[in-house]
Amino acid sequence: ETGVTQTPRHLVMGMTNKKSLKCEQHLGHNAMYWYKQSAKKPLELMFVYNFKEQTENNSVPSRFSPECPNSSHLFLHLHTLQPEDSALYLCASSQRPGLAGVESYNEQFFGPGTRLTVL
Amino acid sequence: GIQVEQSPPDLILQEGANSTLRCNFSDSVNNLQWFHQNPWGQLINLFYIPSGTKQNGRLSATTVATERYSLLYISSSQTTDSGVYFCAVGNSGGSNYKLTFGKGTLLTVNP
Repeated sequence: ETGVTQTPRHLVMGMTNKKSLKCEQHLGHNAMYWYKQSAKKPLELMFVYNFKEQTENNSVPSRFSPECPNSSHLFLHLHTLQPEDSALYLCASSQRPGLAGVESYNEQFFGPGTRLTVL
Repeated sequence: GIQVEQSPPDLILQEGANSTLRCNFSDSVNNLQWFHQNPWGQLINLFYIPSGTKQNGRLSATTVATERYSLLYISSSQTTDSGVYFCAVGNSGGSNYKLTFGKGTLLTVNP
């Protein structure tokens, strides 16, 4: 148990569906992240939120729409996905990224992931 | 961007054996983490080690930042150590929260 939870754990959806992934962290952190892990590829950073503000969008297609209503919750809204979007989606959090001189605040903790299959 | 290379890509051990996993990176870093991903996909934090040496039970890690590599040592391996081990780094460009992951080492420990 890392203190980061994700729901659902598994999701199967059609290309015309709209669904949302949810992430919640119970660590008192201020930054949250979405990563994508596809088969045979390294984990890729998708989005970063720092104090609820989006600070990074790693050229992610607009069919993925993140939302961060507060520092404890992060959503990933999915719309008209493609079969190649099937992957493990991982959420992470860290205390306070980029704070100079306090490197330990950058340690990231991951949730268990949502395994997404797009038919 | 920064490149991360892990070796070996695959490793098969008998229970009780020791092993060393390596992570090379192409630029200076001020954030380096080792993770173990279990068969269900959960990434488990092993070490936060941008420099120096740390030990936790049968595991230890050393990062030599000036030479741009990190090593993860597993001693007296157990079947529960099986899984993929990832190294992830953040470089010193002011955005050290952006982790770049290596492709991982798949470890199989046989009884």
